[in-house]
Amino acid sequence: QKEVEQDPGPLSVPEGAIVSLNCTYSNSAFQYFMWYRQYSRKGPELLMYTYSSGNKEDGRFTAQVDKSSKYISLFIRDSQPSDSATYLCAMSVGNAGNMLTFGGGTRLMVKP
Amino acid sequence: NAGVMQNPRHLVRRRGQEARLRCSPMKGHSHVYWYRQLPEEGLKFMVYLQKENIIDESGMPKERFSAEFPKEGPSILRIQQVVRGDSAAYFCASSPLGQGGEQYFGPGTRLTVT
Repeated sequence: QKEVEQDPGPLSVPEGAIVSLNCTYSNSAFQYFMWYRQYSRKGPELLMYTYSSGNKEDGRFTAQVDKSSKYISLFIRDSQPSDSATYLCAMSVGNAGNMLTFGGGTRLMVKP
Repeated sequence: NAGVMQNPRHLVRRRGQEARLRCSPMKGHSHVYWYRQLPEEGLKFMVYLQKENIIDESGMPKERFSAEFPKEGPSILRIQQVVRGDSAAYFCASSPLGQGGEQYFGPGTRLTVT
């Protein structure tokens, strides 16, 4: 079993839809949770960074962490074709100086 | 503020040659990490360095791979005697000193071994 599981998709939605992306994990020591967006043949771009359980909102993006269920989510409101990319969840045990453990990524396609 | 820089962006090597990948962290960042992304696989941690020190190399293959982050200049990931299985995208990330744990990634170096 992988430490971090993520449905690979692809997930296809119409423009304007609310998108829900999810990851589950098995290591209860994870404390820091991140979401990255990766366009084809580009580097991952940090979207959201959260610590422990709860919600964090930034523009059209909302990150949720439920440590009791070992489950994290990223919601994208009013999705745009430019949101079409692979979304990677990542997590670490500590903050500075700690390796990230990534999910395999979910490919999202937003159709105009 | 320039982001993380990596070069070359694309590198082709024949089997048995050496590959050198360079990474310059963001200004003000003192932590450097290397990750590898194999085709159809996720990103895997390789090594974490600070200036002149390797802090965690638990993800590095035991042979042929080495990394350094000298006092002056970029971090270098070196792969000796490359094999076809080394073909992958290699990403460098950096984070600032202190409590901030966010890691910012460079554009990657795509290594092709022929």
